[in-house]
Amino acid sequence: NAGVTQTPKFQVLKTGQSMTLQCAQDMNHNSMYWYRQDPGMGLRLIYYSASEGTTDKGEVPNGYNVSRLNKREFSLRLESAAPSQTSVYFCASSEGATIYFGEGSWLTVV
Amino acid sequence: AQSVTQLGSHVSVSEGALVLLRCNYSSSVPPYLFWYVQYPNQGLQLLLKYTTGATLVKGINGFEAEFKKSETSFHLTKPSAHMSDAAEYFCAVSKGEAAGNKLTFGGGTRVLVKP
Repeated sequence: NAGVTQTPKFQVLKTGQSMTLQCAQDMNHNSMYWYRQDPGMGLRLIYYSASEGTTDKGEVPNGYNVSRLNKREFSLRLESAAPSQTSVYFCASSEGATIYFGEGSWLTVV
Repeated sequence: AQSVTQLGSHVSVSEGALVLLRCNYSSSVPPYLFWYVQYPNQGLQLLLKYTTGATLVKGINGFEAEFKKSETSFHLTKPSAHMSDAAEYFCAVSKGEAAGNKLTFGGGTRVLVKP
């Protein structure tokens, strides 16, 4: 039972480079999310998707774009990475009141 | 707007002692409340949740939490700490499925268990 799968797990980028974080869930959930985790700040919502074909901004969307490719997949793109985007990124999905998280993607921007 | 405050970014307990992690929230609607645990270099695992009904909620690994509306609190407890409880714990609030299940997290409390 894979649950929520994120790739890559670790990535180092240079300032100005672009990259896409991939996320897929096998639980047939409608809602999917991208959060970032920074020390002392808990997790903050970047974008979410209530269903296939819809996306909405969360608390900290600047510098990011998302694509809900189909019901299973929800990708997060950094068009021009900045050091402030160094963080741990978590994808999640939900059905009902419970939200399930992936294992995280550690991103460092130098 | 919702917010969550976790009192104490670090807590140290002795093995076998009571674990008490404090969480206070603010919400404009009846909240859904959650506690998640995160072990080093891993994702978040749900410990327990409160949506409606009984205010004392039991979760995995011997943890429980009580929703107290008058105090806007959802403190997490475990009667006897085990070495395996060393982790970071996050309290979170949402407005429920109708509002998209978007979670607002507290800053986290890191638990150290001393032998």
